[in-house]
Amino acid sequence: GGIITQTPKFLIGQEGQKLTLKCQQNFNHDTMYWYRQDSGKGLRLIYYSITENDLQKGDLSEGYDASREKKSSFSLTVTSAQKNEMAVFLCASSMGQPFSNERLFFGHGTKLSVL
Amino acid sequence: AQSVTQPDARVTVSEGASLQLRCKYSYSGTPYLFWYVQYQRQGLQLLLKYYSGDPVVQGVNGFEAEFSKSDSSFHLRKASVHWSDSAVYFCAASITSSGQKLVFGQGTILKVYL
Repeated sequence: GGIITQTPKFLIGQEGQKLTLKCQQNFNHDTMYWYRQDSGKGLRLIYYSITENDLQKGDLSEGYDASREKKSSFSLTVTSAQKNEMAVFLCASSMGQPFSNERLFFGHGTKLSVL
Repeated sequence: AQSVTQPDARVTVSEGASLQLRCKYSYSGTPYLFWYVQYQRQGLQLLLKYYSGDPVVQGVNGFEAEFSKSDSSFHLRKASVHWSDSAVYFCAASITSSGQKLVFGQGTILKVYL
């Protein structure tokens, strides 16, 4: 079976700082996603990518950049961390076209805290 | 707007009791429907999914869900819960609205006590 690895597991930043989260998958999946998980709000899509070098904005893309330089990796950058921001960022991947009947495989998440 | 609603933020049941977690979606067509589970400090894992056919679908660990078009619902059930079922459960719908998208509910925290 495959695995999705997210690094780091925990990330503490300062207000205004640029922060980068990384995600690697060895499923050989075409599509990768970044979701933000806030307590009581479910998961909200930040960016997704259907192939290497492709980027598509989700509902929550403002304040974030993404990069898919290889099929196996998808990174997310918080362009300017907001004070007291706290959330979990989940990376996921799936076979074929996005948002189809194919299941998503998720990483364990990166927990962000901004001081 | 298309949405997925899980009306119960928290559910508490005793071990061995039956369980129903509710999910309602707002969409004119029939979406792909999913239930995912998130155990503590882990990512989400698929429990089951539905698109067509028998409205009752079986999943892992004894979970099942029933699709109702008339009610726009996809409720999750289990006949007898175990303490290890304590987790956060998410309902999700893949819909076509200005492009395809996957919409998640807010999640239901399930606590099973001994």
